Amino acid sequence: DIVMTQSQKFMSTSVGDRVSVTCKASQNVGTNVAWYQQKPGQSPKALIYSASYRYSGVPDRFTGSGSGTDFTLTISNVQSEDLAEYFCQQYNSYPLTFGAGTKLELK
Amino acid sequence: EVKLLESGGGLVQPGGSLKLSCAASGFDFSRYWMSWVRQAPGKGLEWIGEINPDSSTINYTPSLKDKFIISRDNAKNTLYLQMSKVRSEDTALYYCARAYYGLAWFAYWGQGTLVTVSA
Repeated sequence: DIVMTQSQKFMSTSVGDRVSVTCKASQNVGTNVAWYQQKPGQSPKALIYSASYRYSGVPDRFTGSGSGTDFTLTISNVQSEDLAEYFCQQYNSYPLTFGAGTKLELK
Repeated sequence: EVKLLESGGGLVQPGGSLKLSCAASGFDFSRYWMSWVRQAPGKGLEWIGEINPDSSTINYTPSLKDKFIISRDNAKNTLYLQMSKVRSEDTALYYCARAYYGLAWFAYWGQGTLVTVSA
């Protein structure tokens, strides 16, 4: 199985900051990576697919980058509504696997 | 509007069985791959498996292949997850999710149904 490692379980930020959430794949997954946002008590919501394509309706302060094994979700000008947990997912090969998540918190 | 509504969760004893349903609306259910994903309390997301539009291909995460069965009824716009031989570690919120056309990432998620395994 491909392991998706989000090494930072928690990240602290302030409103207006720029923050980068990282995800590392144990094997080359090309650009077959998606990112999701999950707020407490809610279902995950898609943000980014194919590593860098913003899903419909997602604010342009969310940017995805990377290929191969290293991926980054960058949130520019963080807003209070962005305080949530973020998961990466690879869909290059089966079984599909998710990262363990990174929780974005206020400093 | 795409809607996915899971049901069937509840309390089940260890070793028991449970069948979850996911009612889909707002899109042509018969044309999309569908998946089940679960999330244990306070934990991350775990993909259980997926089924193609005509049920001819079903993929599972290997560790769950012998205890979970995914099926669908396109006439009823409903996805199913048959769970058997459940254990405490199967306690989780179970989501159904729709793939984005031909790619196995999830544009739409249901609200989840909670399964609690306990004596």
